[in-house]
Amino acid sequence: KAGVTQTPRYLIKTRGQQVTLSCSPISGHRSVSWYQQTPGQGLQFLFEYFSETQRNKGNFPGRFSGRQFSNSRSEMNVSTLELGDSALYLCASSLGLAGGLDEQFFGPGTRLTVL
Amino acid sequence: AQKITQTQPGMFVQEKEAVTLDCTYDTSDPSYGLFWYKQPSSGEMIFLIYQGSYDQQNATEGRYSLNFQKARKSANLVISASQLGDSAMYFCAMRERNQGGKLIFGQGTELSVKP
Repeated sequence: KAGVTQTPRYLIKTRGQQVTLSCSPISGHRSVSWYQQTPGQGLQFLFEYFSETQRNKGNFPGRFSGRQFSNSRSEMNVSTLELGDSALYLCASSLGLAGGLDEQFFGPGTRLTVL
Repeated sequence: AQKITQTQPGMFVQEKEAVTLDCTYDTSDPSYGLFWYKQPSSGEMIFLIYQGSYDQQNATEGRYSLNFQKARKSANLVISASQLGDSAMYFCAMRERNQGGKLIFGQGTELSVKP
């Protein structure tokens, strides 16, 4: 069974640009969550999508957005990039059953550098 | 407020010895799950072990076991017979049943295994 895949793996952008990251979950998983990891703030939850709907959201500005497609693939977009957006962005997939606490499986991450 | 605390920023262990990584948590939800992840220098988060709040027995997965003390709100990870490949960052995380896929992470513990 293929794992979670993320593209691209590395990205370099300049301030003010926008970026789109992609995540393909494990087959059969309907929940995709996104996390930002930085040395200063650690791992922080961005949002979760389940069946094309945002189910939960962390405390990030509106510049961070996401969506999920009917095949459960998800994208996240960051507009008007700032230097502080440089981070490792991880996505995780799970079955996402209602009331469930099933484990999340992570992708390899996309390392974004903003210059 | 939900919170995860890992008080050991870094730890050393001799190869083949056992090591305990500490994790305490805080939540008001009676239904939650506790997870441990390993993050090698490559960046990918690898799921290790899961403990549900209603589980009566401590979880075990191969060389990993979770010492769950509910009254003390602690969920320590025990790695037996450490191997050089165990050198990595280890994160404790929690999900509350009413929070969907949202994982709250601790700051992590960097484990170094000495030959």
